[in-house]
Amino acid sequence: DAGVIQSPRHEVTEMGQEVTLRCKPISGHDYLFWYRQTMMRGLELLIYFNNNVPIDDSGMPEDRFSAKMPNASFSTLKIQPSEPRDSAVYFCAITGAGANVLTFGAGSRLTVL
Amino acid sequence: GENVEQHPSTLSVQEGDSAVIKCTYSDSASNYFPWYKQELGKGPQLIIDIRSNVGEKKDQRIAVTLNKTAKHFSLHITETQPEDSAVYFCAASINGGSQGNLIFGKGTKLSVKP
Repeated sequence: DAGVIQSPRHEVTEMGQEVTLRCKPISGHDYLFWYRQTMMRGLELLIYFNNNVPIDDSGMPEDRFSAKMPNASFSTLKIQPSEPRDSAVYFCAITGAGANVLTFGAGSRLTVL
Repeated sequence: GENVEQHPSTLSVQEGDSAVIKCTYSDSASNYFPWYKQELGKGPQLIIDIRSNVGEKKDQRIAVTLNKTAKHFSLHITETQPEDSAVYFCAASINGGSQGNLIFGKGTKLSVKP
């Protein structure tokens, strides 16, 4: 999982609460991606950034989801308000300069009760 | 829209046997096809990849083949070991692929029995 640090690793929250997931690239990158993984739908791309600018957010399921990348070393994925169907593992991933090899973080497992 | 189909969803083999996982893709513009291994509680990790100008690539016990005409590619693991047990995902690039935008298959859970 080298290249990306995600926090928290696990979060349990109640429906209606705000959730913020964090991603810190620790190596150089061109692009940063947020994926969601569930048993039913597999790995789904939510949004990706290039040079801190959102390029494609068509995978973001609803307006309750938002993502930011204020600088090259930090990105957040926020869900407000959270719902039980948002329960999933959320991965941040990056690609290195000039290559499309995707490196994933360890993921954040979210459970919404 | 673009789609990647992966089969089988589960695969059980005896240690030392070979394992084959197959994927098909729909986007003719796809030019990059990576394979990822995901162990429990971890993120997917790249194990091998192939680009559209190559038909086959090998790395020790792992090989990948690509048939662009038929739009399918396969992962072959020879002499399987218990530590090969994991979920394997195939993926195909979309939107030209230069930025690492991938669509993933649903995964194959491989179990290697000692």
